[in-house]
Amino acid sequence: DSGVTQTPKHLITATGQRVTLRCSPRSGDLSVYWYQQSLDQGLQFLIQYYNGEERAKGNILERFSAQQFPDLHSELNLSSLELGDSALYFCASSVVWEDTQYFGPGTRLTVL
Amino acid sequence: GQQLNQSPQSMFIQEGEDVSMNCTSSSIFNTWLWYKQEPGEGPVLLIALYKAGELTSNGRLTAQFGITRKDSFLNISASIPSDVGIYFCAGQLVGGSQGNLIFGKGTKLSVKP
Repeated sequence: DSGVTQTPKHLITATGQRVTLRCSPRSGDLSVYWYQQSLDQGLQFLIQYYNGEERAKGNILERFSAQQFPDLHSELNLSSLELGDSALYFCASSVVWEDTQYFGPGTRLTVL
Repeated sequence: GQQLNQSPQSMFIQEGEDVSMNCTSSSIFNTWLWYKQEPGEGPVLLIALYKAGELTSNGRLTAQFGITRKDSFLNISASIPSDVGIYFCAGQLVGGSQGNLIFGKGTKLSVKP
């Protein structure tokens, strides 16, 4: 158990819908990262937050957004969902940005 | 985006055999990490390397940070059935308060008892 929690574990929804994935970092960690894992693209970095502020953006679509709240939990919002958005979404956390990242168990999103 | 070249893609070995996998990149990284992922789980950190040339062990696992900072390898000695999983290398470029990881595509390890 890495100490990073993610909910829900599974999510099944339809195209065009909007979903929210939630992540609670390890106690004491200020930095949160979101990654997408798909069969063809592998693990891809989406976005990073540090102490409530966005710090880095990777291959994140405009339909996706995230935020980190004052209690340091983070949410990833995915809207206008397409079939190709089906993937595993992982959250990772670290104390500060240069520290080792620990991954949560992931949310499996299926878009039908 | 950036990607690491990880090889081999998959390995089928007999229990007790040693395993070696590696990652190369055209970019220089400050940190190399090796993760293992089992079905339905998130990646679990195995070894972190912070200095060029560093050789670090974790039980039967040994990893090295290449001198050029563009490569790393992971060795598993005397493999056992619970070593089965997908092993990922990851490079981390640290700077400007960013620390996102760039991952290889993974090496799928199967161990025959």
